[in-house]
Amino acid sequence: QVQLVQSGAEVKKPGASVKVSCKASGYTFASYYMHWVRQAPGQGLEWMGIINPGSGTTSYAQMLQGRVTMTRDTSTSTFYMELSSLRSEDTAVYFCAKGGTAARFFDHWGQGTLVTVSS
Amino acid sequence: DIQMTQSPSTLSASIGDKVTITCRASQSINIWVAWYQQKPGKAPKLLIYKASNLENGVPSRFSGSGSGTEFTLTISSLQPDDFATYYCQQYDDYSLTFGGGTQVEIK
Repeated sequence: QVQLVQSGAEVKKPGASVKVSCKASGYTFASYYMHWVRQAPGQGLEWMGIINPGSGTTSYAQMLQGRVTMTRDTSTSTFYMELSSLRSEDTAVYFCAKGGTAARFFDHWGQGTLVTVSS
Repeated sequence: DIQMTQSPSTLSASIGDKVTITCRASQSINIWVAWYQQKPGKAPKLLIYKASNLENGVPSRFSGSGSGTEFTLTISSLQPDDFATYYCQQYDDYSLTFGGGTQVEIK
């Protein structure tokens, strides 16, 4: 069965960077795009971007351009999302979410990683 | 970006009630809508994709309809496990966006 297992919670200071991992299993790694979605405390869902696991090509939400980097390691079937220049507004749960078949909805989600930005 | 407006933001209902949640898009998105259920502290779960297609394993009391700019998620007979927050999401535009969510509470 599909499993997306994310790294643990992080606490960072403003201005720092954070890198969250998402290890995928139970499906053909290179066949499905991976997305990242975040959710601030008590708020809704915000799409952050997408990575093609085969080519590594990425596309990011405009509001995060320049601060977010998504990568993948095909040897370990792991995806990474790095967010730099952290601000208090980046405090959120970060989810990886597997793209659906030939479509950009999300059919499986990681368990989420809480990133807290606080001085 | 395409705006997705969900209503109501909160809904109080009883077990067995029929529940309808609406999502309106700021421009036509054909049928490219998905619906998710999220419980506190958990990741969202896919319920419906392509406006009306039920994801494998999702109970048949859930259904979706609509096209263009107006979409609905219906729960035909609310069960205890259905108290949660529901989100719509459009995937017509390359920049994916979600509705603000509808919290379904126990009346």
